Amino acid sequence: DAKTTQPNSMESNEEEPVHLPCNHSTISGTDYIHWYRQLPSQGPEYVIHGLTSNVNNRMASLAIAEDRKSSTLILHRATLRDAAVYYCILRDSYTNAGKSTFGDGTTLTVKP
Amino acid sequence: ETGVTQTPRHLVMGMTNKKSLKCEQHLGHNAMYWYKQSAKKPLELMFVYSLEERVENNSVPSRFSPECPNSSHLFLHLHTLQPEDSALYLCASSQAAGATYGYTFGSGTRLTVV
Repeated sequence: DAKTTQPNSMESNEEEPVHLPCNHSTISGTDYIHWYRQLPSQGPEYVIHGLTSNVNNRMASLAIAEDRKSSTLILHRATLRDAAVYYCILRDSYTNAGKSTFGDGTTLTVKP
Repeated sequence: ETGVTQTPRHLVMGMTNKKSLKCEQHLGHNAMYWYKQSAKKPLELMFVYSLEERVENNSVPSRFSPECPNSSHLFLHLHTLQPEDSALYLCASSQAAGATYGYTFGSGTRLTVV
């Protein structure tokens, strides 16, 4: 399975933009890039996903490099509620199960 | 509440016990999943069900036995577990099993095997 690499931790100030990077140099042409976040004592929460083009939704934006070997999750104005572990994963669209592999994620701290 | 409900939230069981974890979703999703999250380890996919048929069994020991009686319910039957099986067990669902759909996770069952 293709793997992702993320920094262990990042810090941000409240109300400032946050750019969370993810490297996936072994991504295949059929892999979708998904982002989730997990707060303590909760299950992961879906944030956004994409294949080749940049994507926007009410929670965040996803910027995908032209060669697809990296991507960046953008939180436009961080709030204290955005403090969580953020996971970048690849999901294989070739298999019926859409198999995915989670990594260790990035722990985002938001300072007031 | 995410739309995926897991019960119980916490479970302590002995190594000789038999117990079951339950997951329920009323989102109209056709795929359901079991994940395991151990301390200091990434989430591990255990099983995938699509339209009530198992489509993925990720080399999980036979002491874990999944059951999907309909598209809204998923069970994980546990027997003769080991202490290293202590973990957070997460259920998720998605509209379909393909990679174009995002997961909706439940809050998990925190399992402790003594």
